[in-house]
Amino acid sequence: DAGITQSPRYKITETGRQVTLMCHQTWSHSYMFWYRQDLGHGLRLIYYSAAADITDKGEVSDGYVVSRSKTENFPLTLESATRSQTSVYFCASSEDTYLVYGYTFGSGTRLTVV
Amino acid sequence: EDQVTQSPEALRLQEGESSSLNCSYTVSGLRGLFWYRQDPGKGPEFLFTLYSAGEEKEKERLKATLTKKESFLHITAPKPEDSATYLCAVSPGTSYDKVIFGPGTSLSVIP
Repeated sequence: DAGITQSPRYKITETGRQVTLMCHQTWSHSYMFWYRQDLGHGLRLIYYSAAADITDKGEVSDGYVVSRSKTENFPLTLESATRSQTSVYFCASSEDTYLVYGYTFGSGTRLTVV
Repeated sequence: EDQVTQSPEALRLQEGESSSLNCSYTVSGLRGLFWYRQDPGKGPEFLFTLYSAGEEKEKERLKATLTKKESFLHITAPKPEDSATYLCAVSPGTSYDKVIFGPGTSLSVIP
């Protein structure tokens, strides 16, 4: 089915390990985003990308890196996981900056750092 | 500082009991205001985009309105399947690629 696919759905990792969350979209949307959702903070932007090979930091980017070599993929890497990065991570995409149809979100990855 | 607040934090309604959710925003200009619905364990689902004060959008039992400082999501004769968290978000005029989300209102509709 067309849409945004995130993997894995659930992940438990140890402090200090590197972990990569995957995001794949089938619409060829130009814009892609990574958000984290925590109780008391709502959705906060980690990184975004306007096109392949163009990425920029969001509000809470420390400790994360992204890449976008292909339009359809936007992986998020935690270089050295910390307990404060335990969260639910959502990938999203949009076809334009006017957001007539808003963002389309994936189902999320629930990450636990122990 | 750009900010979005929502009230109430949680709302319980009897089936058929109409009500409204509020979204107040403080931003440097407004490119758009968005409403999303989020079910437990799922990503937010887009409902509406509003661009200017006075604009209204409707979808089934939901109606979104926009003023210069706030937006309302009116729910008419809600059903249990309307139970979800409703998120408001704004895109400030200073940054086309930035969207700020509010904390959400958790709605429970009791049969």
